[in-house]
Amino acid sequence: DVKVTQSSRYLVKRTGEKVFLECVQDMDHENMFWYRQDPGLGLRLIYFSYDVKMKEKGDIPEGYSVSREKKERFSLILESASTNQTSMYLCAANPPGPYGYTFGSGTRLTVV
Amino acid sequence: DAKTTQPNSMESNEEEPVHLPCNHSTISGTDYIHWYRQLPSQGPEYVIHGLTSNVNNRMASLAIAEDRKSSTLILHRATLRDAAVYYCILRDVGGYQKVTFGTGTKLQVIP
Repeated sequence: DVKVTQSSRYLVKRTGEKVFLECVQDMDHENMFWYRQDPGLGLRLIYFSYDVKMKEKGDIPEGYSVSREKKERFSLILESASTNQTSMYLCAANPPGPYGYTFGSGTRLTVV
Repeated sequence: DAKTTQPNSMESNEEEPVHLPCNHSTISGTDYIHWYRQLPSQGPEYVIHGLTSNVNNRMASLAIAEDRKSSTLILHRATLRDAAVYYCILRDVGGYQKVTFGTGTKLQVIP
């Protein structure tokens, strides 16, 4: 089975800090995704990537950027963290085709 | 993107079958129907997917309406470990993989 690992389970950062959330998958999957999850809002897509150095904006990209220098790693960057970015962040990966996503366990980020 | 509609919450008694509905009236011919579940404090977990025919696996069954405008996830015997939020999504594998999950159905299993 594909394993998706997110580097931190819990993270506390200060307003204005630059924050890096790391995600690594252990299979050769082309597609990787970053979602955030907030109560009552479900999972909302921030960015996704379908190949190395490729990226596409999701539904809520404002305040975020991403980096994919290697196929197995997809990083989410908060350029200047704000309190409204306090959330659960979920990374996922899947191969092309009708196959399911594999999600990581999530990173709960608190910005104070 | 085609959208799905699910009830916000459902209840089931333990060891009873559970039918979780999903409406997707704007589904296109290349959309696959996927179901995921999310246990507390975990990421979503893939459950099952299908295109036109009903599907079974060790976790659940997926029944797809003939017009494909709705589907039902069936848990044959609910256990307390099935208490979770269940998401129904559509994935168009003919193009980009952009998918947004809704708020899903929160299933409560009553002992």
